[in-house]
Amino acid sequence: DVKVTQSSRYLVKRTGEKVFLECVQDMDHENMFWYRQDPGLGLRLIYFSYDVKMKEKGDIPEGYSVSREKKERFSLILESASTNQTSMYLCASSPPGTYGYTFGSGTRLTVV
Amino acid sequence: GDSVTQMEGPVTLSEEAFLTINCTYTATGYPSLFWYVQYPGEGLQLLLKATKADDKGSNKGFEATYRKETTSFHLEKGSVQVSDSAVYFCALSEDTGRRALTFGSGTRLQVQP
Repeated sequence: DVKVTQSSRYLVKRTGEKVFLECVQDMDHENMFWYRQDPGLGLRLIYFSYDVKMKEKGDIPEGYSVSREKKERFSLILESASTNQTSMYLCASSPPGTYGYTFGSGTRLTVV
Repeated sequence: GDSVTQMEGPVTLSEEAFLTINCTYTATGYPSLFWYVQYPGEGLQLLLKATKADDKGSNKGFEATYRKETTSFHLEKGSVQVSDSAVYFCALSEDTGRRALTFGSGTRLQVQP
């Protein structure tokens, strides 16, 4: 069964901390994505990557960065966590073309 | 830019009732359209998709038809079950340019026995 695995289900961090959210997929997909999900706003795209070492900004990249050193792993980095980054973070991957994504189960991050 | 508009929820239905969740979109090109479902405590799962005008996507009794003339992709099911209670997201993906999914805000469905 194909999988996208996010390293943590729940995370609590302090304001100002550097936070790493990890995502690994086992489907050899080229494309990987990070979204955040907030009530009433749906999913908003933070960053995405079409290849190793390649990244592109999504709709809300401010306060975030990403790393993709290997094809199967796409990391989201909060350089200095703030309370307005408290959210559910969802990672997804897909093959090339207009196919549906496979999502991970999400990481619920709380910044206090 | 691209956008997806869904009806606000929650939608509350009795078991075996007919379901419609409205979705309309704005896109510059010829997008593919998707419905995703999120069950409590889980990530999103692809429910169905349609890649061109007049295509009908279907899965698990759910259907949606890609209507280019009305820029709509409404989700329907003839008889809902309690197990269909979830949040449903409409989404689109352009065939050129960014090609990342743009999602609607989601519609929560609650089915009562």
